[in-house]
Amino acid sequence: GAGVSQSPRYKVAKRGQDVALRCDPISGHVSLFWYQQALGQGPEFLTYFQNEAQLDKSGLPSDRFFAERPEGSVSTLKIQRTQQEDSAVYLCASRRFRDGYTDTQYFGPGTRLTVL
Amino acid sequence: KQEVTQIPAALSVPEGENLVLNCSFTDSAIYNLQWFRQDPGKGLTSLLLIQSSQREQTSGRLNASLDKSSGRSTLYIAASQPGDSATYLCAGPQGAQKLVFGQGTRLTINP
Repeated sequence: GAGVSQSPRYKVAKRGQDVALRCDPISGHVSLFWYQQALGQGPEFLTYFQNEAQLDKSGLPSDRFFAERPEGSVSTLKIQRTQQEDSAVYLCASRRFRDGYTDTQYFGPGTRLTVL
Repeated sequence: KQEVTQIPAALSVPEGENLVLNCSFTDSAIYNLQWFRQDPGKGLTSLLLIQSSQREQTSGRLNASLDKSSGRSTLYIAASQPGDSATYLCAGPQGAQKLVFGQGTRLTINP
């Protein structure tokens, strides 16, 4: 079946622009995660949804970052007034069940954001 | 708070060698640990998930172990092949949801 898809795959933004990154999770997956991966580093957690509810947004770096999943499937990560330090790969992952005790997360290919 | 560390950051070995990648974590109350593979420009692919009740998991030429008491996990790759070249990441949970990743080990297998 289809995996997690993300669009766009690459995004170049001028400093100060707003961007929106889209994630299409695996159909029927309850949980959805966003991670930020800097060059040469492991992914870092940003936020987590269970269906349409955003249950954890403790990893969002600032109030310029906003995520939503209004119908419990597709999710959008929005970054307002982008800064150079926002340049990174943004990874989306989905998981079939509510908890991760026995279930893995399935990752999309990521969106590489470059802020000039 | 869970912290995950991977050593070495990079490793280069000749084809055919057996090798071990190391991962350490700070929260011994971990209920599972996962190993992922990441190819350049790609997302992460789950390789093995070891539950806390298990000591190891095997998939083909890969074997992962988990020692909660010492806060360590290892990924053993047997008879390495050039196609194994990638970055390998381990991740432990923090709470029931988010994953905390190590920095990764960039592995190169030389033909």
